[in-house]
Amino acid sequence: DIQMTQSPSSLSASVGDRVTITCRASQGISNYLAWYQQKPGKVPKLLIYAASTLQSGVPSRFSGSGSGTDFTLTISSLQPEDVATYYCQKYNSAPHTFGPGTKVDIK
Amino acid sequence: QVQLVQSGAEVKKPGASVKVSCKASGYTFTSYDINWVRQATGQGLEWMGWMNPNSGNTGYAQKFQGRVTMTRNTSISTAYMELSSLRSEDTAVYYCARGGYCSSTSCYSRYFDYWGQGTLVTVSS
Repeated sequence: DIQMTQSPSSLSASVGDRVTITCRASQGISNYLAWYQQKPGKVPKLLIYAASTLQSGVPSRFSGSGSGTDFTLTISSLQPEDVATYYCQKYNSAPHTFGPGTKVDIK
Repeated sequence: QVQLVQSGAEVKKPGASVKVSCKASGYTFTSYDINWVRQATGQGLEWMGWMNPNSGNTGYAQKFQGRVTMTRNTSISTAYMELSSLRSEDTAVYYCARGGYCSSTSCYSRYFDYWGQGTLVTVSS
């Protein structure tokens, strides 16, 4: 099975900072990569699919890029409401494995 | 609007089984697969498997093979996930999530755009 890794596992940044999270697949998955945001005590929310397509209603400060094995999620200007754990997920074929998550908080 | 509404919290003893339901509304239930994902307290998201509501075909993560069964009742647009031989490590919040488009025979992999509210399953003696 394809394994998903993320780095860093956690980060702390100031409001307004640019934040980048990396996700890596152990084998190529083309662009079948999604990003989810999970705020504490809440249900995961789809942010980005097809590696770079923003889900409807998601603020434009979020963006995604990558293809094959290496992907990034970028928050262009971190806001207090972005405090959450972010997960990548492969969905090219089952199993639809998630990455271990990256916890983002405010410095 | 699309909604997935799950059944309430459960407390089970080790060795027992639990069956969680997920009622879909706001879309054609048989048009999208249903996935199940669990999350232990303070841990990450773990994909358990998927089901084609059309055909009833399923695919399970290897970790859960032999212990999990996913079924559906199309007349009430409801999917079910049953996990047997429960142990303390199965204590988690269980989510259903809408995934890929399905035909009568197959589904096309896709991201999860709608999620249920989660069901806490506690396994304790």
